[in-house]
Amino acid sequence: GESVGLHLPTLSVQEGDNSIINCAYSNSASDYFIWYKQESGKGPQFIIDIRSNMDKRQGQRVTVLLNKTVKHLSLQIAATQPGDSAVYSCYNKLIFGAGTRLAVHP
Amino acid sequence: EPEVTQTPSHQVTQMGQEVILRCVPISNHLYFYWYRQILGQKVEFLVSFYNNEISEKSEIFDDQFSVERPDGSNFTLKIRSTKLEDSAMYFCASQTGGAVAEAFFGQGTRLTVV
Repeated sequence: GESVGLHLPTLSVQEGDNSIINCAYSNSASDYFIWYKQESGKGPQFIIDIRSNMDKRQGQRVTVLLNKTVKHLSLQIAATQPGDSAVYSCYNKLIFGAGTRLAVHP
Repeated sequence: EPEVTQTPSHQVTQMGQEVILRCVPISNHLYFYWYRQILGQKVEFLVSFYNNEISEKSEIFDDQFSVERPDGSNFTLKIRSTKLEDSAMYFCASQTGGAVAEAFFGQGTRLTVV
């Protein structure tokens, strides 16, 4: 079966709020995960990655958390901006999760 | 910044016709991929290509599909006899290494089969 799956289809937040997007994975997942952002009409764009020997990795305004106990991956976006509006998908071993559409309201 | 380029951006073809989608991966990359995305659905893996051969393919990648790297720069996806359900965005991607490296995606080709 697929290695990554969907949690919520849509997340609406106010500009400036923090956003948390979740993803579950299965036992068949490999030890490397990526979060991709896909804006309307565009290809997936790399945001941040994490290996399974880490629990947390931070980028610019983004943090990925990996909970291997419950096989859960999350993407946190700090101070969400209108330009963050997109579909966010976790990715593992060639497979994309279904994605969460983040809508940022001014 | 290096990028993956795909042509054409939009292709309309009649059902039953052959179509070739073209990609120019990033020049020093070794692994190449095709994905598709049907409107409103998630991005789905089709095929991966390394060292001039298919390394993995999904159930979607049946005998109607083929890939080729005809020269040192292009990577193509051919659909031999298009069906209505082949209408989708097709994304090409490339990466430097294998399992632990990000894939860089092109902007896609929108294929419309009529």
